[in-house]
Amino acid sequence: LAKTTQPISMDSYEGQEVNITCSHNNIATNDYITWYQQFPSQGPRFIIQGYKTKVTNEVASLFIPADRKSSTLSLPRVSLSDTAVYYCLVGAGTASKLTFGTGTRLQVTL
Amino acid sequence: DAGVIQSPRHEVTEMGQEVTLRCKPISGHDYLFWYRQTMMRGLELLIYFNNNVPIDDSGMPEDRFSAKMPNASFSTLKIQPSEPRDSAVYFCASSISGISNQPQHFGDGTRLSIL
Repeated sequence: LAKTTQPISMDSYEGQEVNITCSHNNIATNDYITWYQQFPSQGPRFIIQGYKTKVTNEVASLFIPADRKSSTLSLPRVSLSDTAVYYCLVGAGTASKLTFGTGTRLQVTL
Repeated sequence: DAGVIQSPRHEVTEMGQEVTLRCKPISGHDYLFWYRQTMMRGLELLIYFNNNVPIDDSGMPEDRFSAKMPNASFSTLKIQPSEPRDSAVYFCASSISGISNQPQHFGDGTRLSIL
């Protein structure tokens, strides 16, 4: 089971870059790393997914070192609307239990 | 696309009553997941289906919980009898294929309160 560890909370000012790191020491060879964002009273929403090195889309970048034991979600120039809980999810195989972990609560202020 | 649709959005019922939560996955998605979210335990996977067949139900907490997927466009999660500790937000999600390498699309959940 690829358990993940993230900081419980982070604070940032609007306009700053935010980096959230997730540790997943037991990641398996076939596992992908996926990040989700969750607002209150809503389901988690997919942000980005990667397997190795760097992935970038219109909202975020994902950095994965060569050993893949951690990953960093980078949010450029956050705004107040980025205040949410961010979850790192690592696949645990087809027959194992997926664990979202506790997530990181990001608070963005002016 | 309409996204994953769950109903009801809110449910309040008394202990001992049967509760049925419903989910309509995104058309064409092969996998369907049921999750439960609480402050204490976070987001937990209860069960998931592949092509309407239950694959892993090891997260279902007790025999009081059951889930079915009679066809590709509908699934139910049933609790009978319900207990106050079942109070939580229940999410349904679907993905186009796979467990790890495809993103899951979540519904907005059912907030369940058992009195």
